[in-house]
Amino acid sequence: QKEVEQNSGPLSVPEGAIASLNCTYSDRVSQSFFWYRQYSGKSPELIMSIYSNGDKEDGRFTAQLNKASQYVSLLIRDSQPSDSATYLCAVLGNTDKLIFGTGTRLQVFP
Amino acid sequence: EPEVTQTPSHQVTQMGQEVILRCVPISNHLYFYWYRQILGQKVEFLVSFYNNEISEKSEIFDDQFSVERPDGSNFTLKIRSTKLEDSAMYFCASINYRGSDTQYFGPGTRLTVL
Repeated sequence: QKEVEQNSGPLSVPEGAIASLNCTYSDRVSQSFFWYRQYSGKSPELIMSIYSNGDKEDGRFTAQLNKASQYVSLLIRDSQPSDSATYLCAVLGNTDKLIFGTGTRLQVFP
Repeated sequence: EPEVTQTPSHQVTQMGQEVILRCVPISNHLYFYWYRQILGQKVEFLVSFYNNEISEKSEIFDDQFSVERPDGSNFTLKIRSTKLEDSAMYFCASINYRGSDTQYFGPGTRLTVL
């Protein structure tokens, strides 16, 4: 069974701090990795995609991938209360279905 | 920016009834997906569809489920005889080619089975 694991949280950080979200996956053939943000009752919204080892930055967001350790992370700099949501890690393997983790709930308090 | 749309936003039905959830994928997209999310749980893959055929389906997608692309725009998910445990958010997604990195999700349909 191919799994994606995340700490369910909640992760609470003060406004302006860095939030660090982590994810591990079990299928070594996975090639594409995604972070989605999901507000309560809404659909997943793509934040970042990453395919190669290393870091990828987009604005306040940085995704990090380590395929040897089967580990993906998302850093959110200068966290804002509007970043409060559940962050879903998703992995695409050798088929085109996304496998999601359970998500980490992030709370940014003023 | 083009979007995936879904109707209805909320469907309430009695156990045993048939429901059809509708999706309009982005117009030039060729691969279509249904996912579901039971309240408080992870998003789960149900089925993928390409060239008027199911490409892959999960073990959740049993004989009670079917998908169809009845015309050039709609993509539907039918549940023949709903059960209480079918209550969930159902998300449609699409991509324009296999290997494309982004599955675009619709806003979802909340299905409540009473």
